[in-house]
Amino acid sequence: EAGVTQFPSHSVIEKGQTVTLRCDPISGHDNLYWYRRVMGKEIKFLLHFVKESKQDESGMPNNRFLAERTGGTYSTLKVQPAELEDSGVYFCASSQVYGTGELFFGEGSRLTVL
Amino acid sequence: QQQVKQSPQSLIVQKGGISIINCAYENTAFDYFPWYQQFPGKGPALLIAIRPDVSEKKEGRFTISFNKSAKQFSLHIMDSQPGDSATYFCAAIDAGGTSYGKLTFGQGTILTVHP
Repeated sequence: EAGVTQFPSHSVIEKGQTVTLRCDPISGHDNLYWYRRVMGKEIKFLLHFVKESKQDESGMPNNRFLAERTGGTYSTLKVQPAELEDSGVYFCASSQVYGTGELFFGEGSRLTVL
Repeated sequence: QQQVKQSPQSLIVQKGGISIINCAYENTAFDYFPWYQQFPGKGPALLIAIRPDVSEKKEGRFTISFNKSAKQFSLHIMDSQPGDSATYFCAAIDAGGTSYGKLTFGQGTILTVHP
């Protein structure tokens, strides 16, 4: 069974540009999460989808970040316009059953904003 | 403010030794405490987890000790092996919150086990 896949694995962009990160969860997983780790700090929650609906987006830093999950399958996280402080590793995770506590993480998308 | 504090930031242990990583939390609403293990280039993966109604949970060489009154929990790796070298994250969840998958992570500990 395929795990959570993320694309791209690494993106380098200039300040002010736009980047879109994609996450394909494990097939059948209704819950999809985005997390971010800024260099040397803790991994922080960004938001949670249940199917195509946003369950909790309390961790989204600001309105430059837009997450979508059309059709309840894959998800995209767009940063527009990117700022230097957006650099970090963006992790996507999915889970099958609400309440199990186990999240399956992808390998992450490293974003570098110059 | 950081709700889950993890220490040490890095740890070097000899093969066969015991690795100990500590975490402390503030939010008394937390009621599920998983540990995640991350190898370079990979995503975090669930290692072991504990609920606050028990003081200890053991799975093979990995043990979580939990002290509810002190709001502290720790991971012990017995007979540490070079293959255990990874970054370890403690985490906490408020199951009564809006999102059960909303993990609050510690900062991570880079464990290196020398052969």
